[in-house]
Amino acid sequence: EVQLLESGGGLILPGGSLRLSCAASGFVFTNYVMSWVRQAPGKGLEWVSSVSGGAYSTYYADSVKGRFTLSREDSKNTLYLQMNNLRVEDTAVYYCARGKNFGDYRLFEYWGQGTLVTVSS
Amino acid sequence: QSALTQPASVSGSPGQSITISCTGTSRDIGAYNYVSWYQQHPGRAPKLLIFDVTDRPSGVSNRFSGSKSGNTASLTISGLQAGDEADYYCSSFTASSTVVFGGGTKLTVL
Repeated sequence: EVQLLESGGGLILPGGSLRLSCAASGFVFTNYVMSWVRQAPGKGLEWVSSVSGGAYSTYYADSVKGRFTLSREDSKNTLYLQMNNLRVEDTAVYYCARGKNFGDYRLFEYWGQGTLVTVSS
Repeated sequence: QSALTQPASVSGSPGQSITISCTGTSRDIGAYNYVSWYQQHPGRAPKLLIFDVTDRPSGVSNRFSGSKSGNTASLTISGLQAGDEADYYCSSFTASSTVVFGGGTKLTVL
């Protein structure tokens, strides 16, 4: 059974940094593209970033480019999202999601339960 | 990249069929057959219903179907059930190698 477990969310001041983690199990982690999708309170879904299997390529939404860094540690079956220079508008539930194959991030087949990031003074 | 356009809400009675539209541009929906649909119940993670415009993942009911014409994609739910009451989101791959979602549609089963 595919399982994705996010952690690392919390309350942070504007301008601060936070690192989210996503622990994966139930599949061969290195073979799949992984992504983060966020949802602000009461709002819709927003794609944040994706990384191919083997970390050959990474992709970012314009809203986070230059501030967020996506990485993966295949030996630990773990995905990371380093978030720097956080803004109030980054407040959201952050979902970890798995794609359908090695490099195709156009769809999100499995989702974690999410971790809440609140950016506020 | 602007969000795809969905109606804010739709409603239908049990047993009826409803259709949710999702309008984009020639740089996203119109450019690729890479439209997906997700169902999200309150307080839960989204669930993939449809991918590549018309395909259903294993385990998803055939009451859910997708289509596309030009820059607009559609999700049809037939034989509405109470459990279908949820938020529905479309998404598309874009010419900028990003993914864009719609604003979401709240389905009410009357």
